[in-house]
Amino acid sequence: GAGVSQTPSNKVTEKGKYVELRCDPISGHTALYWYRQSLGQGPEFLIYFQGTGAADDSGLPNDRFFAVRPEGSVSTLKIQRTERGDSAVYLCASSAGTGVSGELFFGEGSRLTVL
Amino acid sequence: AQSVAQPEDQVNVAEGNPLTVKCTYSVSGNPYLFWYVQYPNRGLQFLLKYITGDNLVKGSYGFEAEFNKSQTSFHLKKPSALVSDSALYFCAVRDIRYGNKLVFGAGTILRVKS
Repeated sequence: GAGVSQTPSNKVTEKGKYVELRCDPISGHTALYWYRQSLGQGPEFLIYFQGTGAADDSGLPNDRFFAVRPEGSVSTLKIQRTERGDSAVYLCASSAGTGVSGELFFGEGSRLTVL
Repeated sequence: AQSVAQPEDQVNVAEGNPLTVKCTYSVSGNPYLFWYVQYPNRGLQFLLKYITGDNLVKGSYGFEAEFNKSQTSFHLKKPSALVSDSALYFCAVRDIRYGNKLVFGAGTILRVKS
């Protein structure tokens, strides 16, 4: 498709389980971002990739969270030993080029519920 | 570090009336400012941005925003509101001294009543 695609759209898991969320950016977009949005709040930055490398991972809350983008396109956000506080909508966005003036194009998000 | 404040949790306006959604920002350098809209159960959609140049920027769906450096504000405006404009609006700022990340405000719910 033409837009950013995220799978799954919904994920329910139990506390302590491992979860993977996938993002397929717009074709040709070199920059990829992960955000987390909790109910009633704005998106919270997690990590930013330029190509295959994580250019800024300052938003990852702890070492249970990890993200990869091995071929510079699809990215996977990985959460180990999930906790109830991890419940949120995880948003992925992509942007063309390396310029700071570019806007982000968002996917519809993956809603994670940890029971 | 950069930050954004959206002082109103909710804005109510009658259809056909002008609307304003407020945003103020804090950066150490020159700001790059953005507005996004989010409809229920949907992703964020880009509306407009200010990078440089004319302080009044025009965007999608008839929205515009005015950059005011002295007041560190970037309020979103529309001359005549539509019921279909009802949604959640986010202001965001990028300070290139801190990389490419975009920092979002908490959002403002806009309700347009017919």
